[in-house]
Amino acid sequence: GDSVTQMEGPVTLSEEAFLTINCTYTATGYPSLFWYVQYPGEGLQLLLKATKADDKGSNKGFEATYRKETTSFHLEKGSVQVSDSAVYFCALSGDNFNKFYFGSGTKLNVKP
Amino acid sequence: EAGVAQSPRYKIIEKRQSVAFWCNPISGHATLYWYQQILGQGPKLLIQFQNNGVVDDSQLPKDRFSAERLKGVDSTLKIQPAKLEDSAVYLCASSLDLYTEAFFGQGTRLTVV
Repeated sequence: GDSVTQMEGPVTLSEEAFLTINCTYTATGYPSLFWYVQYPGEGLQLLLKATKADDKGSNKGFEATYRKETTSFHLEKGSVQVSDSAVYFCALSGDNFNKFYFGSGTKLNVKP
Repeated sequence: EAGVAQSPRYKIIEKRQSVAFWCNPISGHATLYWYQQILGQGPKLLIQFQNNGVVDDSQLPKDRFSAERLKGVDSTLKIQPAKLEDSAVYLCASSLDLYTEAFFGQGTRLTVV
């Protein structure tokens, strides 16, 4: 069945460091891929998405490229800020009526 | 635009008691989802509605969990009786239809003691 695997955390970085959070997926058909962010005490917020192969999603300095050949959707940011500290979830939505499958989440801690 | 509203935000109950959560989706959104997020894990879909019909409830523990979406708008999720392992955040989400992105509420944090 469809599934998402993302790197375990926590990831601890200093401010202005480069961020990569790895995400790979297994799916039949042609899924859409998403990154959601969850700040402390809040619900999930869509960060970015890509709906087909080679698409690049971007938002707030974060980017991720839909790589069908490697079944990956790694999240990157060139210079993280303290305010980026949160839990990041990779997710996919398959052909099956928008059913979402989430990874287990990666906690990011950014230190000043 | 108002987001997905959920209540209560927090609930503490004893095991074997019952509890209900309420969700009001974004206006005009036909699809509504309930997810369970156990600490340290990603959200798991419990049930998905399209208007007032169930699209997927394959992961809903039907012996103790029930959900309804009367009139195709608000929804309630009930647990009766609760178990310790039901302690989690229950997230409600909605989307315009089955093929567009979902927007999430802030969730209800349930603690079963």
